[in-house]
Amino acid sequence: EDQVTQSPEALRLQEGESSSLNCSYTVSGLRGLFWYRQDPGKGPEFLFTLYSAGEEKEKERLKATLTKKESFLHITAPKPEDSATYLCAVSGGYNKLIFGAGTRLAVHP
Amino acid sequence: EAQVTQNPRYLITVTGKKLTVTCSQNMNHEYMSWYRQDPGLGLRQIYYSMNVEATDKGDVPEGYKVSRKEKRNFPLILESPSPNQTSLYFCASRPTGLETQYFGPGTRLLVL
Repeated sequence: EDQVTQSPEALRLQEGESSSLNCSYTVSGLRGLFWYRQDPGKGPEFLFTLYSAGEEKEKERLKATLTKKESFLHITAPKPEDSATYLCAVSGGYNKLIFGAGTRLAVHP
Repeated sequence: EAQVTQNPRYLITVTGKKLTVTCSQNMNHEYMSWYRQDPGLGLRQIYYSMNVEATDKGDVPEGYKVSRKEKRNFPLILESPSPNQTSLYFCASRPTGLETQYFGPGTRLLVL
């Protein structure tokens, strides 16, 4: 059964303190792994798509990497505005995404 | 502006009273879907549609209905809501394939 597990559930960082979020997955035939950001009361906002092991993508202070079993979202020198819930999802088939429960990130000044 | 809209954004209702949550997208996307989001469970797909008149069940379809008569609209229907359908609902759309999926702003539903 396709499954996505994100850790930690919650993470508190000081401004400038770099860290990583983990997304472990099991899927038969990975077609894509997706990272989203979700602010309270809003819909998820797309960040990255990764298609194959070894692929990396960057956007501002965020960098996503992918292996055959997991993906990491690295946050470098975070700012308070990076506070949000980060969601990971995988697609093993054409029709649907399987989402993890998310990691709630709080960055304090 | 490219967007997915949902209405209403907030809804309080009572058990058994039929309701419809509307979803509309202006990006000419073929694929649309409905999710519910519950604490600790993440986003779970309710129904999806590959195109007009083509819908199929997701992971948690019980108690819900959908229709896709026009490409831009994909309403979610709760024929007889129950308290366990209290949740945050999101509509999403994307072109065919694995392109970026765009989410609506969400509808927070409370069933008493």
